[in-house]
Amino acid sequence: AQKVTQAQTEISVVEKEDVTLDCVYETRDTTYYLFWYKQPPSGELVFLIRRNSFDEQNEISGRYSWNFQKSTSSFNFTITASQVVDSAVYFCALSEAWETSGSRLTFGEGTQLTVNP
Amino acid sequence: NAGVTQTPKFQVLKTGQSMTLQCAQDMNHNSMYWYRQDPGMGLRLIYYSASEGTTDKGEVPNGYNVSRLNKREFSLRLESAAPSQTSVYFCASSEGLAGGLNTGELFFGEGSRLTVL
Repeated sequence: AQKVTQAQTEISVVEKEDVTLDCVYETRDTTYYLFWYKQPPSGELVFLIRRNSFDEQNEISGRYSWNFQKSTSSFNFTITASQVVDSAVYFCALSEAWETSGSRLTFGEGTQLTVNP
Repeated sequence: NAGVTQTPKFQVLKTGQSMTLQCAQDMNHNSMYWYRQDPGMGLRLIYYSASEGTTDKGEVPNGYNVSRLNKREFSLRLESAAPSQTSVYFCASSEGLAGGLNTGELFFGEGSRLTVL
């Protein structure tokens, strides 16, 4: 069975600080996909990134960056120079790739990020 | 660009009442899902439909039934609501492949907040 753990329940930072959200996963599959979703206070879920298990290159998109390390089964998410609009719940998720039954995602518990002005 | 549409957005039920949550997507996706979100538990999969005509149980199916009415629509029914089913329900869809590699992100509806008294 697969599992995703986000040990940080809540994080509070001051605007312009950098913040890293941790994600640790468990899976028996050698091929899998990792995701990050953002849930702002309005409640919808917004896709941020997908990474497959064969690609361990870090990715940067503006102020967002992701560090994928298979050796430690981690897929951490860093926001540089945080802004108040980054305040949201962030979910890490895992999908096993060879699925004949759609893209079932296993989600972590989520991390509530609050960025204070 | 409607994407995934859920109705109703809010519902209050009494214990033992029944109701159906409706979901429709206009992206011609093969796979559809129902998740529930509870505080501190992330999103948990209730049921999913890999393709039109098929449905399967997810992690927490007890107390629910689903119907994949056609390719666009996937409904979730509570036959006899219980307070433990108080939650926010999300419908999602993905491109999916009926058999084969599934890598796709999920596209979520805005959620339906259900309270069972």
